[in-house]
Formats: sequence, structure tokens, C-alpha cells
Amino acid sequence: KAGVTQTPRYLIKTRGQQVTLSCSPISGHRSVSWYQQTPGQGLQFLFEYFSETQRNKGNFPGRFSGRQFSNSRSEMNVSTLELGDSALYLCASSLGTGDGVNTEAFFGQGTRLTVV
Amino acid sequence: AQKVTQAQTEISVVEKEDVTLDCVYETRDTTYYLFWYKQPPSGELVFLIRRNSFDEQNEISGRYSWNFQKSTSSFNFTITASQVVDSAVYFCALGSGNTPLVFGKGTRLSVIA
Repeated sequence: KAGVTQTPRYLIKTRGQQVTLSCSPISGHRSVSWYQQTPGQGLQFLFEYFSETQRNKGNFPGRFSGRQFSNSRSEMNVSTLELGDSALYLCASSLGTGDGVNTEAFFGQGTRLTVV
Repeated sequence: AQKVTQAQTEISVVEKEDVTLDCVYETRDTTYYLFWYKQPPSGELVFLIRRNSFDEQNEISGRYSWNFQKSTSSFNFTITASQVVDSAVYFCALGSGNTPLVFGKGTRLSVIA
């Protein structure tokens, strides 16, 4: 069974540019969550998508957005990049049953974004 | 608000020593779930265990064991006879219902040969 796949693994962008990151969840998983990991702030939740709908949202500016497709694949977009957006972006997939049971999340290897 | 505290930022042990990673959590929910993840240098968070709030039974998996105590809001993780391959950052996390996981800051474990 294939794991969570994130592409690309590494990215270097310039301030002001925009970037799109992709995440393919484990087959059968309907929930995809995105996290930003930085040395100073640790793992911070960005948003979660379940069946193509944003179910939860973290405390990030509107420059951070995402979407989920009918095949559960998800993309996140960051516009007008800032130096502080440099981080490891992790995607997690879970069954996300929607019945109030918090199922385990399986993570991809992440996309390391560097903004220069 | 939910919160997870991992007070140990870094721990260094010699191979074959036992080591315990502490995790203290805060939540007002009566039903919640606790997790441990391992993050090796490759970056991927590897799922280790999930425990629900109604199951306080300790669990052992090989060299790994977990001690869940609701009375002290703790969910500690012990590695017995540590190995160099155990070197990683370990995260404790808390979730309830369909809310996103809240992670602690992590504990960096270095096992020295």
C-alpha cells in the first residue's frame, strides 16, 4: 500500500512569488491535513480537507490556501511568499471517518520550501 | 484550548540505556486521543501509537512502551535498550473528535554508540 506522497520534495522560491504543493494521500483516505514545521514554532496546523470540503482551518493568513480534488489529492498554495514562509510543509492523510473518532494520521516526507 | 507539553527539548543517552520521553497534555474534552510520532532526519513523521482516553492500559511493542495516566494528564514513552537508530525527534500529539492534532514541540533524542 503506497504511503503519502508529497511533491516536490524541495523548492526554492523568491519573495513575492507563489507556490503550489501537492499531496497524494493513502488510497481510501478522505482526509488530508497540512502542517507547517519551523524550528521556532514547531508543527502548526494549516488546514484540513475532507471529501473536498475544508473542515478545519488553522490561524494562518489568507495567503495560504488549499483545495482537495474528488480523488482526495490535495494542493496547498502560498501566494506572495515571504522569507518567514520558509519551512517544511507536511501533509497527513487519515480515514477521517467524520464520526468524531480521531483516527491516526500518516504523514508524507514533506516539501522543504526555501524563500530567498 | 488543547495543549501538549514536552518539557524535554533534547535528550542524549548512550546505546543500550533506557530513556523516557515525557508528555503532558491539557484538554477539557472527555473523549480524546493521544499519539506519538517519530521524525527521523528524512523528515517524515512516522506514526507510533494511538491511545483513546478510555483506555488507560499501558502498551508495550517490542522495545517501546507507553504509560498513560489520566490522573496526571501524562502519556509518557519509554524506549528500552536504546539503539542508534532510535535517534530522532519524537512528538506527542492530542486530538479529539474531528479536530486537528495539536503537537508538542518535540524531544530530540540522540543515542550515542
